[in-house]
Amino acid sequence: AQSVTQLDSHVSVSEGTPVLLRCNYSSSYSPSLFWYVQHPNKGLQLLLKYTSAATLVKGINGFEAEFKKSETSFHLTKPSAHMSDAAEYFCVVSELSGSARQLTFGSGTQLTVLP
Amino acid sequence: DGGITQSPKYLFRKEGQNVTLSCEQNLNHDAMYWYRQDPGQGLRLIYYSQIVNDFQKGDIAEGYSVSREKKESFPLTVTSAQKNPTAFYLCASSIGVYRGNEQFFGPGTRLTVL
Repeated sequence: AQSVTQLDSHVSVSEGTPVLLRCNYSSSYSPSLFWYVQHPNKGLQLLLKYTSAATLVKGINGFEAEFKKSETSFHLTKPSAHMSDAAEYFCVVSELSGSARQLTFGSGTQLTVLP
Repeated sequence: DGGITQSPKYLFRKEGQNVTLSCEQNLNHDAMYWYRQDPGQGLRLIYYSQIVNDFQKGDIAEGYSVSREKKESFPLTVTSAQKNPTAFYLCASSIGVYRGNEQFFGPGTRLTVL
């Protein structure tokens, strides 16, 4: 069985400072991992994904994440926060479940960017 | 412009009524999904379909029904048997159900039961 834990429900940073959103996962197999972003009352947009290639994954809008198997972590980072980054972020794990690959979503981290 | 459309954006329903949420995609994706999102929670899978005329229950299928008569369309019916239907509903699609295939999401429908 797979699961994902987002360690912080809310994170606040000042504009121009680094962002760190933490995610730990549990998986019986080699998982695929994703980060999605959701702005208020909108659908989810893919930021980046890990599928067993390079462990450091670069995504859109300057975000990146590092897959660390020994720590079962997939933390999302950005060197310098922008006001437009304020949104909710979801860490997602995917592995085989029954006859199909299914996604398990974390509970989300709300990022606030202060001016 | 390829993407996923959901309609309506906002929907109000009286208790005891069935209501159908629309989801259409023009990405030529085989797989489609319905999720429910509640405040402070992640997404929970209601139903998914890997191919036309086939669909499977997800984690919270009770009180919901779907059909997949066309590749492009995957409507969700919220029936009166669903005890707490007020939520944000998201439709998604992917090329297939393989491990690396990311899902693309529609803009969502917010359902409120009065």
